[in-house]
Amino acid sequence: NAGVTQTPKFQVLKTGQSMTLQCAQDMNHNSMYWYRQDPGMGLRLIYYSASEGTTDKGEVPNGYNVSRLNKREFSLRLESAAPSQTSVYFCASSESSGNHNEQFFGPGTRLTVL
Amino acid sequence: AQKITQTQPGMFVQEKEAVTLDCTYDTSDQSYGLFWYKQPSSGEMIFLIYQGSYDEQNATEGRYSLNFQKARKSANLVISASQLGDSAMYFCAMREGKGSSNTGKLIFGQGTTLQVKP
Repeated sequence: NAGVTQTPKFQVLKTGQSMTLQCAQDMNHNSMYWYRQDPGMGLRLIYYSASEGTTDKGEVPNGYNVSRLNKREFSLRLESAAPSQTSVYFCASSESSGNHNEQFFGPGTRLTVL
Repeated sequence: AQKITQTQPGMFVQEKEAVTLDCTYDTSDQSYGLFWYKQPSSGEMIFLIYQGSYDEQNATEGRYSLNFQKARKSANLVISASQLGDSAMYFCAMREGKGSSNTGKLIFGQGTTLQVKP
């Protein structure tokens, strides 16, 4: 049981390049999330998927797109990377029902945009 | 607007002593959940403890307890008998909604860095 996995762990891009961050969970969770964490700050929600087939914007969606490929996988795409997108990206998953809705996080992807 | 405030950027505590990390929140929802996560220097996010807005008892998980004061909108984390391995960043987070409206979105505070001194 790997939990939440993310690839890659590290990535360096040049301004204007595109890339896709991959996330997968093996806990049969309905909901999945993408967050970014900037230095000295808490996590901010980029996009989320409450259930398979649905996606919604979070607090900071500009410059990103997402795809909920199936129940297990939720990818985040940067179409034209900018230095402001230099950050650590976390994927998370949770059950969408029940009051105790703990989110399980992946190990993160450290992205640098030059 | 929903908001989490952690006013202590950094804290020090002596090993084996207790420490309280502050968290206040703002929400207009009656149903919500409060979470604490630990982020060690390795970077992963580790779930510590949860408190539901309707829970009458303060949550406890081993050495972690949550001092929940609903009227004051505070949810402070208490770590008893601090250990060197407790040195990390700690985040308070809130989830709103209940039942079918619960999408599980979390709003995070800015975090508190805790350093445990030997």
